[in-house]
Amino acid sequence: DAGVTQSPTHLIKTRGQQVTLRCSPKSGHDTVSWYQQALGQGPQFIFQYYEEEERQRGNFPDRFSGHQFPNYSSELNVNALLLGDSALYLCASNPGQGSVGYGYTFGSGTRLTVV
Amino acid sequence: GQQVMQIPQYQHVQEGEDFTTYCNSSTTLSNIQWYKQRPGGHPVFLIQLVKSGEVKKQKRLTFQFGEAKKNSSLHITATQTTDVGTYFCALPRGNMLTFGGGTRLMVKP
Repeated sequence: DAGVTQSPTHLIKTRGQQVTLRCSPKSGHDTVSWYQQALGQGPQFIFQYYEEEERQRGNFPDRFSGHQFPNYSSELNVNALLLGDSALYLCASNPGQGSVGYGYTFGSGTRLTVV
Repeated sequence: GQQVMQIPQYQHVQEGEDFTTYCNSSTTLSNIQWYKQRPGGHPVFLIQLVKSGEVKKQKRLTFQFGEAKKNSSLHITATQTTDVGTYFCALPRGNMLTFGGGTRLMVKP
């Protein structure tokens, strides 16, 4: 049973560029959430996708956008990258029609470095 | 918004000693989740607590939810080097989780 898979594992981008991160949820999970984790801090919620729509959004600017596909996989796009966007980006999936009452399964993350 | 304070921020213990991390909220919680993140790894779900005063055990780990559902704790008995990592409490808020700052556990062999 495959867990949550994310790609790429590492990425280096230049300020002002755009980046796309990808996530495939665990088999049987229909909801995908994205989190940003800065070094030494807890994960911060970016947004959640369910049934191909953004269901809830955290306190992140519009430069952060996403998409969910019919097969439940998801993409996170960040435009006009800033140095402060350097972080570990985590994708998490859970079952139960998106209910957060179930524990999340996290992927290994994408380490983004903006230079 | 809902805030959660987690203490201590860091803890060094000798292998075999016990360890406890606490999570405190200013508001009553519907439930609380705990995650472990190994160095260089990703958060792994440990448990969810729902009922007032609930106590759950997983081998050497004991999780408690306060009677007022405003605090929770994770206690590890007789730590091992494999327990190294950061332990996070997380509060469900709508469809998102709000994570505490985490407690980083370091174990000296």
